[in-house]
Amino acid sequence: LAKTTQPISMDSYEGQEVNITCSHNNIATNDYITWYQQFPSQGPRFIIQGYKTKVTNEVASLFIPADRKSSTLSLPRVSLSDTAVYYCLVGDMNTGNQFYFGTGTSLTVIP
Amino acid sequence: EPEVTQTPSHQVTQMGQEVILRCVPISNHLYFYWYRQILGQKVEFLVSFYNNEISEKSEIFDDQFSVERPDGSNFTLKIRSTKLEDSAMYFCASRFSTDTQYFGPGTRLTVL
Repeated sequence: LAKTTQPISMDSYEGQEVNITCSHNNIATNDYITWYQQFPSQGPRFIIQGYKTKVTNEVASLFIPADRKSSTLSLPRVSLSDTAVYYCLVGDMNTGNQFYFGTGTSLTVIP
Repeated sequence: EPEVTQTPSHQVTQMGQEVILRCVPISNHLYFYWYRQILGQKVEFLVSFYNNEISEKSEIFDDQFSVERPDGSNFTLKIRSTKLEDSAMYFCASRFSTDTQYFGPGTRLTVL
């Protein structure tokens, strides 16, 4: 199973773009990369998922280089409500039997 | 938008008692999961369930734990004899196929 490594914490000012990088050096061929957001005492909430290159949705972008050994979640113009823990998960969506969370990145948005 | 629901939101029990945590996954989903999160720590995988049987389980999921899908809509996690260290948030998740997992709001279990 691919292990993920993320920065423990990050601070950002409101309105800034935030990029959170995740390392997954032993990612397997069939693995997808998924990012979740978690607020205290709530369940993780899906943000974005990708396999390679770039994926964009209404809340974030996900950049994945050609070697797929890392990925970067980009949050445009963060607000105070984006203060949360962000988790990167790597797993085979075809079998999907196990998904392991890393320690996550605690993002604090400062006014 | 369909969502995963969990009951109860908070369960308090005495050490040694049995508890059953309940989840209603999204209706057309096929894969079901339980995770736990001890306060201040990361989310930990417990078990995955597909086609009415356990697919994978972690080291945490020992003989004290069991899962069941009794009626085609509910998905339950039973802890037979709770310990103090079982106190945590327990999250249920489900997914359709190659889609992503969707998580429920969690049940906070407090063992006294």
